[in-house]
Amino acid sequence: GAVVSQHPSRVICKSGTSVKIECRSLDFQATTMFWYRQFPKQSLMLMATSNEGSKATYEQGVEKDKFLINHASLTLSTLTVTSAHPEDSSFYICSASPVGQVTDTQYFGPGTRLTVL
Amino acid sequence: AQSVSQHNHHVILSEAASLELGCNYSYGGTVNLFWYVQYPGQHLQLLLKYFSGDPLVKGIKGFEAEFIKSKFSFNLRKPSVQWSDTAEYFCAVSGSGTYKYIFGTGTRLKVLA
Repeated sequence: GAVVSQHPSRVICKSGTSVKIECRSLDFQATTMFWYRQFPKQSLMLMATSNEGSKATYEQGVEKDKFLINHASLTLSTLTVTSAHPEDSSFYICSASPVGQVTDTQYFGPGTRLTVL
Repeated sequence: AQSVSQHNHHVILSEAASLELGCNYSYGGTVNLFWYVQYPGQHLQLLLKYFSGDPLVKGIKGFEAEFIKSKFSFNLRKPSVQWSDTAEYFCAVSGSGTYKYIFGTGTRLKVLA
């Protein structure tokens, strides 16, 4: 149980284009999902907290107009990297916490590697 | 400032050696502590977690961790590592009642067969 999927797993795009990444909780509902970014040989950095039915909460230094987050249902959150540039190339990981869970455990997706040419 | 420090960035061990990975945190208030593992090409998986109670926590695959509140530490241990333990290990902390994690920088473990 508690499986989180991401699509696509890899994406290569040209500079200036937008890329959408999907995060789905497959066997549970999640009112809260999280988006992280992981640079090579570095830790995961929280970008934003995605709340179903409301606006996402962005961490300091993360441009909300560049990284658009939509959490339209209890099983799906999307991250859109708008007008991507080479410096946006990274590994993007989402996580989700089951609804009604007492403990604060997140379940992580497999990640999406974005390469911007 | 809230932070998590993992002092060992790279660790190389032979099979059957004992393992201890350090994790120290800085966080005001009651915390939840986690160790995650990321095998090559795979996603993060939860090894173990501490919320309250017995400070010695046992996780999957023979791993355990001890929460020492006075030292703000949550070190990960395994008495005898296997080649299959080669992976990157991340320590994380969250405030009790919140879902926001702060991750350490990770420790890359390589176990030589």
